[in-house]
Amino acid sequence: KAGVTQTPRYLIKTRGQQVTLSCSPISGHRSVSWYQQTPGQGLQFLFEYFSETQRNKGNFPGRFSGRQFSNSRSEMNVSTLELGDSALYLCASSLRPGATEAFFGQGTRLTVV
Amino acid sequence: QQQVKQSPQSLIVQKGGISIINCAYENTAFDYFPWYQQFPGKGPALLIAIRPDVSEKKEGRFTISFNKSAKQFSLHIMDSQPGDSATYFCAASNRGGSEKLVFGKGTKLTVNP
Repeated sequence: KAGVTQTPRYLIKTRGQQVTLSCSPISGHRSVSWYQQTPGQGLQFLFEYFSETQRNKGNFPGRFSGRQFSNSRSEMNVSTLELGDSALYLCASSLRPGATEAFFGQGTRLTVV
Repeated sequence: QQQVKQSPQSLIVQKGGISIINCAYENTAFDYFPWYQQFPGKGPALLIAIRPDVSEKKEGRFTISFNKSAKQFSLHIMDSQPGDSATYFCAASNRGGSEKLVFGKGTKLTVNP
């Protein structure tokens, strides 16, 4: 059974640009969450999607957005990139909201220069 | 406001020793407390989890102790092995499962041979 797949693994962008990250959850999993991981702030919840609907949103500016497709794949978008957006972006999938286990992908390392 | 405080930031233990990581939380609505293990270049993986109606849960060499009145919980790794060297995160959710997790800032564990 394939795990959570995140693409790309590494990304370098310039300030002011926008970026789209992709996440394919484990087959059969319908809930996808996104987290930002930085050395200073640790792991912070961005948002969660289930059945193509955003169920929860963390405390991030509106430049951070996401969506989920009918096949449960999810994308997150960051517009007008800032240096502080440099981070590891992790996607986690679970069978449904509230499931006890969330499976994380390896993440996308975004560097903003 | 950091809702889950984790200590220590780093821990060095000899092979065969006991590793202890502590977490404290503020939100009494939290009802699910997982621990995640993360190796370099990998996403976090669920290690063990507990609910507040249980004071202790053991899985192999890993034990969670939970003190509801003190709003604290801890991870004990018995007979620590070099392969346990990783970063450990405690987390909490008020959704009964892995939804919208609030993470501690992590503890880097090094087990010396």
